[in-house]
Amino acid sequence: RKEVEQDPGPFNVPEGATVAFNCTYSNSASQSFFWYRQDCRKEPKLLMSVYSSGNEDGRFTAQLNRASQYISLLIRDSKLSDSATYLCVVNERTSGTYKYIFGTGTRLKVLA
Amino acid sequence: GAVVSQHPSRVICKSGTSVKIECRSLDFQATTMFWYRQFPKQSLMLMATSNEGSKATYEQGVEKDKFLINHASLTLSTLTVTSAHPEDSSFYICSASQKVRTGRAYDGTQYFGPGTRLLVL
Repeated sequence: RKEVEQDPGPFNVPEGATVAFNCTYSNSASQSFFWYRQDCRKEPKLLMSVYSSGNEDGRFTAQLNRASQYISLLIRDSKLSDSATYLCVVNERTSGTYKYIFGTGTRLKVLA
Repeated sequence: GAVVSQHPSRVICKSGTSVKIECRSLDFQATTMFWYRQFPKQSLMLMATSNEGSKATYEQGVEKDKFLINHASLTLSTLTVTSAHPEDSSFYICSASQKVRTGRAYDGTQYFGPGTRLLVL
């Protein structure tokens, strides 16, 4: 079983739609969680951290369920510019060092 | 804040040559830097973790003698791909992490450089 699993997609949605991505992780001792966005041939950029209480940033809402070991990202009112690959990232602490474990990413394409 | 630069952005070289990539944290001190590699349509794969002033920790399957990492200061880490071969062609990305300014426990957020595309002919 992969440490961090995501549906690779692609998710093709019309502009204005609401789309949700889920991600599951296997290590119950994982410390922190993030969603990153990666555009084609670019580096990942931090979209948002994911807290147990959930957090919202404009059209984006992230949730963490530690009991079920999954993380979600909800995008409301999708824009064309939201088209990208969304990476679920779990931060684990091993031998005193934090290390990111990446999911394979979920591709989103927002259609006009 | 939390800007990371990488140089060069693109390299084309002949097989057998060595290539050096620099990663700099511009506005913060990075206690830890990470080096990743990403092949087309695949996710980022961690190659090594680098702490300032100490030897890098390599992931399983990554040859430390081929991928030399130096983390000489809190703002600079370098990756040297020695005797590069066509199969080393990839997108190399570094990231840097810092301690939270409030002095609370380190939260481990990583900030990524723009990446270096290496093509070995």
